Amino acid sequence: EAQVTQNPRYLITVTGKKLTVTCSQNMNHEYMSWYRQDPGLGLRQIYYSMNVEVTDKGDVPEGYKVSRKEKRNFPLILESPSPNQTSLYFCASRATGGAKEAFFGQGTRLTVV
Amino acid sequence: DQQVKQNSPSLSVQEGRISILNCDYTNSMFDYFLWYKKYPAEGPTFLISISSIKDKNEDGRFTVFLNKSAKHLSLHIVPSQPGDSAVYFCAASAYQGAQKLVFGQGTRLTINP
Repeated sequence: EAQVTQNPRYLITVTGKKLTVTCSQNMNHEYMSWYRQDPGLGLRQIYYSMNVEVTDKGDVPEGYKVSRKEKRNFPLILESPSPNQTSLYFCASRATGGAKEAFFGQGTRLTVV
Repeated sequence: DQQVKQNSPSLSVQEGRISILNCDYTNSMFDYFLWYKKYPAEGPTFLISISSIKDKNEDGRFTVFLNKSAKHLSLHIVPSQPGDSAVYFCAASAYQGAQKLVFGQGTRLTINP
């Protein structure tokens, strides 16, 4: 079954404690990205990757890092989380070529206290 | 700068009637448009898409219309069913460049029995 898997689904952490949200896809997609969803703002792209070792900033990259060492994995790293990073996070993958739909993971609800 | 806008945060429709969700965009480079549906505690799932070379695309009860001159697209659901109650996001991308999906804020559709 084609899927994008994120872990964990829920996470509560304290300010400043480094965390990683994992994302894995089994569709051999080149393009992967991270979004955050906030009320009234829709889905905003944090970072994206067009292939292994190729990453770039999206619209809201501050406070986040990513890496793409393997095609299937695209972890999101918060080195020093802050309360304004409390949000619902989604990983997505798609084949390259603009006319393709993206497949989303089930989401990670992060609370930073 | 919100390049994709869904101006109606919510919409309530009676079961069996037509639901019309609207979306406006500002970037003339966008040439591929998508609608996603999102249930609570799940990731967005792809619903229907349309290329800029078309003005209509139909898939069962779902039809997307594109008016390029007005930079406007709409999703029609006929007939509406209770299971259609969800948040709907429109998204746009450009074939060239970063190929990222830019999302609107979402519209919460409620189908009343």
